[in-house]
Amino acid sequence: SQTIHQWPATLVQPVGSPLSLECTVEGTSNPNLYWYRQAAGRGLQLLFYSVGIGQISSEVPQNLSASRPQDRQFILSSKKLLLSDSGFYLCASNVAGRRGTQYFGPGTRLLVL
Amino acid sequence: KQEVTQIPAALSVPEGENLVLNCSFTDSAIYNLQWFRQDPGKGLTSLLLIQSSQREQTSGRLNASLDKSSGRSTLYIAASQPGDSATYLCAPLRNTDKLIFGTGTRLQVFP
Repeated sequence: SQTIHQWPATLVQPVGSPLSLECTVEGTSNPNLYWYRQAAGRGLQLLFYSVGIGQISSEVPQNLSASRPQDRQFILSSKKLLLSDSGFYLCASNVAGRRGTQYFGPGTRLLVL
Repeated sequence: KQEVTQIPAALSVPEGENLVLNCSFTDSAIYNLQWFRQDPGKGLTSLLLIQSSQREQTSGRLNASLDKSSGRSTLYIAASQPGDSATYLCAPLRNTDKLIFGTGTRLQVFP
Protein backbone atom coordinates (compact mmCIF):
# COMPACT_ATOMS: atom_id res chain seq x y z
CA SER A 1 0.00 0.00 0.00
CA GLN A 2 0.97 3.64 -0.26
CA THR A 3 1.64 6.18 2.46
CA ILE A 4 0.88 9.83 1.84
CA HIS A 5 2.34 12.67 3.88
CA GLN A 6 0.89 16.14 3.94
CA TRP A 7 2.04 19.30 5.67
CA PRO A 8 1.28 21.45 7.36
CA ALA A 9 -1.60 19.82 9.21
CA THR A 10 -3.25 23.15 10.00
CA LEU A 11 -2.76 26.60 8.56
CA VAL A 12 -4.30 29.99 9.31
CA GLN A 13 -3.57 32.61 6.68
CA PRO A 14 -4.77 36.18 6.00
CA VAL A 15 -6.62 37.02 2.82
CA GLY A 16 -4.21 37.92 0.05
CA SER A 17 -1.30 35.90 1.40
CA PRO A 18 0.41 33.14 -0.61
CA LEU A 19 -0.08 29.44 -0.03
CA SER A 20 2.03 26.34 -0.45
CA LEU A 21 0.81 22.89 0.61
CA GLU A 22 2.99 19.87 0.08
CA CYS A 23 2.24 16.22 -0.44
CA THR A 24 4.70 13.34 -0.77
CA VAL A 25 4.02 9.68 -1.48
CA GLU A 26 5.84 6.54 -0.36
CA GLY A 27 5.42 2.98 -1.51
CA THR A 28 4.93 3.38 -5.23
CA SER A 29 6.53 4.86 -8.32
CA ASN A 30 4.93 7.03 -10.99
CA PRO A 31 1.61 7.33 -9.17
CA ASN A 32 -1.39 9.33 -10.25
CA LEU A 33 -1.67 12.21 -7.80
CA TYR A 34 -4.75 14.23 -6.84
CA TRP A 35 -5.66 17.33 -4.85
CA TYR A 36 -9.16 17.52 -3.39
CA ARG A 37 -10.88 20.19 -1.33
CA GLN A 38 -13.61 19.55 1.18
CA ALA A 39 -15.48 22.68 2.24
CA ALA A 40 -17.41 22.66 5.50
CA GLY A 41 -20.56 20.58 5.13
CA ARG A 42 -19.87 19.78 1.51
CA GLY A 43 -18.52 16.89 -0.50
CA LEU A 44 -15.07 16.30 -1.93
CA GLN A 45 -14.21 18.40 -4.95
CA LEU A 46 -11.37 17.33 -7.24
CA LEU A 47 -9.09 20.31 -7.90
CA PHE A 48 -6.10 18.91 -9.79
CA TYR A 49 -4.71 15.60 -10.89
CA SER A 50 -1.39 14.55 -12.36
CA VAL A 51 -0.30 11.47 -14.28
CA GLY A 52 3.40 12.37 -14.32
CA ILE A 53 6.09 14.95 -13.58
CA GLY A 54 5.06 18.34 -14.92
CA GLN A 55 1.68 17.02 -16.11
CA ILE A 56 -1.16 18.79 -14.34
CA SER A 57 -4.85 18.86 -15.20
CA SER A 58 -7.13 21.41 -13.58
CA GLU A 59 -10.71 20.47 -12.85
CA VAL A 60 -12.13 23.80 -11.77
CA PRO A 61 -11.17 27.40 -12.53
CA GLN A 62 -9.83 29.11 -9.43
CA ASN A 63 -6.90 31.02 -8.04
CA LEU A 64 -5.09 27.84 -7.06
CA SER A 65 -2.39 26.04 -9.01
CA ALA A 66 -0.57 22.74 -8.68
CA SER A 67 2.89 21.52 -9.57
CA ARG A 68 4.65 18.17 -9.59
CA PRO A 69 8.39 18.82 -9.48
CA GLN A 70 9.27 15.22 -8.62
CA ASP A 71 7.64 11.86 -9.23
CA ARG A 72 6.20 11.55 -5.74
CA GLN A 73 5.80 15.20 -4.78
CA PHE A 74 2.69 17.26 -5.40
CA ILE A 75 2.36 20.92 -4.40
CA LEU A 76 -0.73 23.09 -4.19
CA SER A 77 -0.14 26.84 -4.37
CA SER A 78 -1.81 30.19 -4.50
CA LYS A 79 -0.40 33.67 -5.00
CA LYS A 80 -3.25 35.40 -3.15
CA LEU A 81 -5.68 33.53 -0.94
CA LEU A 82 -9.40 34.27 -0.87
CA LEU A 83 -11.83 33.67 1.98
CA SER A 84 -13.47 31.00 -0.17
CA ASP A 85 -10.23 29.01 -0.23
CA SER A 86 -10.83 27.91 3.34
CA GLY A 87 -11.37 24.19 3.64
CA PHE A 88 -9.82 20.80 4.17
CA TYR A 89 -7.30 19.88 1.48
CA LEU A 90 -6.58 16.25 0.77
CA CYS A 91 -3.89 14.70 -1.36
CA ALA A 92 -4.47 11.26 -2.85
CA SER A 93 -2.67 8.78 -5.04
CA ASN A 94 -3.17 5.52 -6.84
CA VAL A 95 -1.11 3.25 -9.05
CA ALA A 96 -1.12 4.63 -12.57
CA GLY A 97 -2.99 2.57 -15.12
CA ARG A 98 -4.41 0.01 -12.70
CA ARG A 99 -7.48 1.86 -11.50
CA GLY A 100 -7.02 0.40 -8.09
CA THR A 101 -7.45 1.66 -4.57
CA GLN A 102 -6.99 5.36 -4.10
CA TYR A 103 -5.12 6.30 -0.93
CA PHE A 104 -5.51 9.56 0.92
CA GLY A 105 -3.24 11.65 3.09
CA PRO A 106 -4.22 13.05 6.49
CA GLY A 107 -5.20 16.42 5.06
CA THR A 108 -4.41 20.09 5.69
CA ARG A 109 -7.00 22.30 7.31
CA LEU A 110 -6.75 25.83 5.89
CA LEU A 111 -8.53 28.79 7.42
CA VAL A 112 -8.33 32.07 5.54
CA LEU A 113 -9.24 35.11 7.64
CA LYS B 1 -21.78 13.81 -15.93
CA GLN B 2 -21.62 11.33 -13.08
CA GLU B 3 -23.78 12.17 -10.07
CA VAL B 4 -23.55 10.18 -6.86
CA THR B 5 -26.23 10.15 -4.18
CA GLN B 6 -25.99 8.56 -0.77
CA ILE B 7 -28.94 7.70 1.41
CA PRO B 8 -29.48 8.22 4.27
CA ALA B 9 -27.53 11.42 4.83
CA ALA B 10 -27.31 10.68 8.54
CA LEU B 11 -28.00 7.67 10.73
CA SER B 12 -27.98 7.22 14.49
CA VAL B 13 -28.37 3.70 15.89
CA PRO B 14 -27.66 1.71 19.05
CA GLU B 15 -24.71 -0.61 18.88
CA GLY B 16 -25.33 -4.15 17.68
CA GLU B 17 -27.61 -3.23 14.80
CA ASN B 18 -26.96 -4.35 11.25
CA LEU B 19 -26.80 -1.35 8.95
CA VAL B 20 -27.42 -0.64 5.28
CA LEU B 21 -25.91 2.38 3.56
CA ASN B 22 -26.99 3.11 0.01
CA CYS B 23 -25.16 4.69 -2.91
CA SER B 24 -26.59 5.39 -6.34
CA PHE B 25 -24.82 6.75 -9.42
CA THR B 26 -26.18 7.97 -12.73
CA ASP B 27 -23.52 6.69 -15.14
CA SER B 28 -23.21 2.90 -15.02
CA ALA B 29 -20.08 2.79 -17.22
CA ILE B 30 -17.71 2.42 -14.29
CA TYR B 31 -14.52 0.42 -13.76
CA ASN B 32 -14.90 0.03 -10.04
CA LEU B 33 -16.40 1.60 -6.94
CA GLN B 34 -14.72 2.37 -3.65
CA TRP B 35 -16.18 2.81 -0.20
CA PHE B 36 -14.31 5.08 2.19
CA ARG B 37 -14.58 6.03 5.81
CA GLN B 38 -13.77 9.52 7.10
CA ASP B 39 -13.40 10.32 10.77
CA PRO B 40 -13.94 13.97 11.81
CA GLY B 41 -11.01 16.14 10.78
CA LYS B 42 -9.17 13.23 9.18
CA GLY B 43 -8.36 11.94 5.75
CA LEU B 44 -10.20 9.13 3.99
CA THR B 45 -9.57 5.47 4.68
CA SER B 46 -10.36 3.00 1.94
CA LEU B 47 -12.67 0.24 3.15
CA LEU B 48 -13.53 -1.80 0.08
CA LEU B 49 -13.01 -1.67 -3.66
CA ILE B 50 -15.40 -3.56 -5.92
CA GLN B 51 -14.43 -4.14 -9.52
CA SER B 52 -17.16 -3.68 -12.12
CA SER B 53 -17.11 -7.43 -12.80
CA GLN B 54 -17.75 -8.27 -9.14
CA ARG B 55 -21.04 -8.48 -7.31
CA GLU B 56 -19.73 -8.05 -3.81
CA GLN B 57 -16.67 -7.68 -1.64
CA THR B 58 -16.23 -8.45 2.03
CA SER B 59 -13.85 -7.30 4.73
CA GLY B 60 -14.59 -8.35 8.29
CA ARG B 61 -17.98 -6.99 9.32
CA LEU B 62 -18.26 -4.99 6.11
CA ASN B 63 -19.84 -6.22 2.92
CA ALA B 64 -20.31 -4.12 -0.19
CA SER B 65 -22.46 -5.09 -3.14
CA LEU B 66 -22.55 -3.60 -6.61
CA ASP B 67 -25.30 -3.64 -9.21
CA LYS B 68 -23.68 -1.77 -12.05
CA SER B 69 -26.61 -1.97 -14.44
CA SER B 70 -28.95 -0.27 -12.01
CA GLY B 71 -26.32 2.17 -10.75
CA ARG B 72 -26.40 1.04 -7.11
CA SER B 73 -24.02 -0.05 -4.42
CA THR B 74 -24.80 -0.96 -0.84
CA LEU B 75 -22.53 -1.13 2.18
CA TYR B 76 -23.63 -3.52 4.93
CA ILE B 77 -22.19 -3.14 8.39
CA ALA B 78 -22.85 -6.10 10.66
CA ALA B 79 -23.12 -5.82 14.44
CA SER B 80 -22.32 -2.12 14.53
CA GLN B 81 -20.00 -0.73 17.21
CA PRO B 82 -19.39 2.79 18.53
CA GLY B 83 -16.01 2.70 16.75
CA ASP B 84 -17.89 2.53 13.44
CA SER B 85 -19.09 6.10 13.95
CA ALA B 86 -17.80 8.13 10.99
CA THR B 87 -18.87 9.45 7.60
CA TYR B 88 -19.03 6.83 4.86
CA LEU B 89 -18.40 7.86 1.26
CA CYS B 90 -18.84 5.95 -1.96
CA ALA B 91 -16.98 6.83 -5.14
CA PRO B 92 -17.38 5.21 -8.56
CA LEU B 93 -14.49 5.36 -11.02
CA ARG B 94 -14.93 5.82 -14.76
CA ASN B 95 -12.24 5.59 -17.42
CA THR B 96 -10.77 8.95 -16.47
CA ASP B 97 -9.02 7.70 -13.32
CA LYS B 98 -11.03 10.28 -11.40
CA LEU B 99 -13.28 9.31 -8.54
CA ILE B 100 -16.62 11.06 -8.16
CA PHE B 101 -17.68 11.23 -4.54
CA GLY B 102 -21.10 11.16 -2.97
CA THR B 103 -21.90 13.54 -0.13
CA GLY B 104 -21.70 10.73 2.38
CA THR B 105 -23.68 9.11 5.16
CA ARG B 106 -22.86 10.34 8.65
CA LEU B 107 -23.15 7.40 11.02
CA GLN B 108 -23.34 7.54 14.79
CA VAL B 109 -23.44 4.32 16.80
CA PHE B 110 -24.15 4.83 20.48
CA PRO B 111 -23.48 2.39 23.31
